[in-house]
Amino acid sequence: KAGVTQTPRYLIKTRGQQVTLSCSPISGHRSVSWYQQTPGQGLQFLFEYFSETQRNKGNFPGRFSGRQFSNSRSEMNVSTLELGDSALYLCASSLQGADTGELFFGEGSRLTVL
Amino acid sequence: GQQLNQSPQSMFIQEGEDVSMNCTSSSIFNTWLWYKQDPGEGPVLLIALYKAGELTSNGRLTAQFGITRKDSFLNISASIPSDVGIYFCGYFGNEKLTFGTGTRLTIIP
Repeated sequence: KAGVTQTPRYLIKTRGQQVTLSCSPISGHRSVSWYQQTPGQGLQFLFEYFSETQRNKGNFPGRFSGRQFSNSRSEMNVSTLELGDSALYLCASSLQGADTGELFFGEGSRLTVL
Repeated sequence: GQQLNQSPQSMFIQEGEDVSMNCTSSSIFNTWLWYKQDPGEGPVLLIALYKAGELTSNGRLTAQFGITRKDSFLNISASIPSDVGIYFCGYFGNEKLTFGTGTRLTIIP
């Protein structure tokens, strides 16, 4: 059974640019959530989608957005990149949500903003 | 969100030693979760705890849900090289996981 797939794995952008990250969940999983991991702030929740609807959103500025498609694949977008957006962005999927606390994480997309 | 205080921040141990780490909160939780993140990987669930006082084992790992519901600990017995990584405690609520700051475990040769 394939795991959560995130693309790209690594990318470098400059300030002011925008970036789109992609996540393919485990087959059959309908919930996809995104987390930002940085050395200073740790793992921070960005948003969660279920059946194309955003059910919850973390405390991030509006430059961070996401969406989910009918096949459960998800994308997140960060516009007008800032140096502080450099981080590992992790996607996680689950069958219906994190109600049991078990999320299956991908390997992440490491974004560097110069 | 609620703050989770995880300690220690890092540990340097020798192979074969036992490890203990804990997580505390000022709020009461209904679940405690322990995840491990290997270098270059995403976190993986190790143990989930759902009841105050619950003690659960997963191989060499043992975790307990504190009786006050405000703390949890994770023990690793007889550590091996593959135990290296970052261990996160966390709780679930509002369709999201909130994680502690992590304990980085390093095994000294």
